[in-house]
Amino acid sequence: DIQLTQSPSFLSASVGDRVTITCRASQGISNYLAWYQQKPGKAPKLLIYAASTLQSGVPSRFSGSGSGTEFTLTISSLQPEDFATYCCQHLNSYPLTFGQGTKLEIK
Amino acid sequence: QLQLQESGPGLVKPSETLSLTCSVSGGSINSYYWNWIRQPPGKGLEWIGYIYYSGSTNYNPSLKSRVSISVDTSKNQFSLKLSSVTAADTAVYFCARAVAYRSSFDPWGQGTLVTVSS
Repeated sequence: DIQLTQSPSFLSASVGDRVTITCRASQGISNYLAWYQQKPGKAPKLLIYAASTLQSGVPSRFSGSGSGTEFTLTISSLQPEDFATYCCQHLNSYPLTFGQGTKLEIK
Repeated sequence: QLQLQESGPGLVKPSETLSLTCSVSGGSINSYYWNWIRQPPGKGLEWIGYIYYSGSTNYNPSLKSRVSISVDTSKNQFSLKLSSVTAADTAVYFCARAVAYRSSFDPWGQGTLVTVSS
């Protein structure tokens, strides 16, 4: 199975900050990576697919980049509604796996 | 707008079979890949498996011996059965759609908590 390791696991930031979350794959996965946002008690929400394509309706302050084994999710200017947990998912091969998550908290 | 909704017992006894259904509304189940994912309390997401609308399935090897996913196109539903459950199977169970074999999941159901306890 392909393992996904996110860093950091916890991130404390302020409204207006620029933050970056990293997802590393245990082997090359081309651009077969998605990012999700999850709030407590809710289902994950798709933000980005194919490593860098913004899902329809997702604000442009979210962006994704990377290919191969290293990927990043960037939020350019944090808004109050962005404080949540973010996780990556690879889609390169089965079984699909997810990163362990990065919890973004208000400083 | 496509919506998914999980339903089923919230409490299952150890060694019994967990059974959940995902109802699809706002669109037809007669296409795409229909997935089950779970999330133990306070932990990360685990993909359980999918069923293609035609009936072909693919399961996570870690659960393959205990999992069965089926589809009922006449009811626009698909279902999950997980046998011989233990406390480790306690989790929120989500259903979700993937539009292709290697595509991301969207939309998701709201999730349903299943607790395994006597």
